[in-house]
Amino acid sequence: DTAVSQTPKYLVTQMGNDKSIKCEQNLGHDTMYWYKQDSKKFLKIMFSYNNKELIINETVPNRFSPKSPDKAHLNLHINSLELGDSAVYFCASSQGWDRVGYTFGSGTRLTVV
Amino acid sequence: GQQVMQIPQYQHVQEGEDFTTYCNSSTTLSNIQWYKQRPGGHPVFLIQLVKSGEVKKQKRLTFQFGEAKKNSSLHITATQTTDVGTYFCAGPTGANSKLTFGKGITLSVRP
Repeated sequence: DTAVSQTPKYLVTQMGNDKSIKCEQNLGHDTMYWYKQDSKKFLKIMFSYNNKELIINETVPNRFSPKSPDKAHLNLHINSLELGDSAVYFCASSQGWDRVGYTFGSGTRLTVV
Repeated sequence: GQQVMQIPQYQHVQEGEDFTTYCNSSTTLSNIQWYKQRPGGHPVFLIQLVKSGEVKKQKRLTFQFGEAKKNSSLHITATQTTDVGTYFCAGPTGANSKLTFGKGITLSVRP
């Protein structure tokens, strides 16, 4: 009964490749997020969708493209991967605009070699 | 820009000692949230504080929101090895009230 599930858990790929990370939540939340956590554990928001509409788009290279086919899913596609993209990517969800108590997925550790 | 700050980034304590950490915002926050991330895990929501001066307790953890709603503290009484992890504070900032996380404090506990 995983609330927010991400796949894959680990992703090792070469520079220049394109990869996708999938996220699904079964909590009925209407807002979903992608966060990037670097090696120093800093959590930085990348994107946020509310009911399939993009509401937050931080300064992220346009090689990163989120897609939300419905409010339970938010996928992240990354083109032309670079070494600096190596990090842990967390999907999260929350209910409503007050955004209390985000529920995070278990993360995807992306390593670009 | 608006920031939520936590320093230091690391703290080491002996098991049984008390531990306190602080979180400061450059602006007044409507609420502040605390999360815990165990090593190798993901952030888990602990608590939200909304009112000025609010104090909430969860077993050995005590959370407080400052009177000016610009700072918060987390106090752990008699730390245990299960308290190991990174504690993040987070507050809604910016036009979209996006949740901005502090850099976190990583607590290690010596048995």
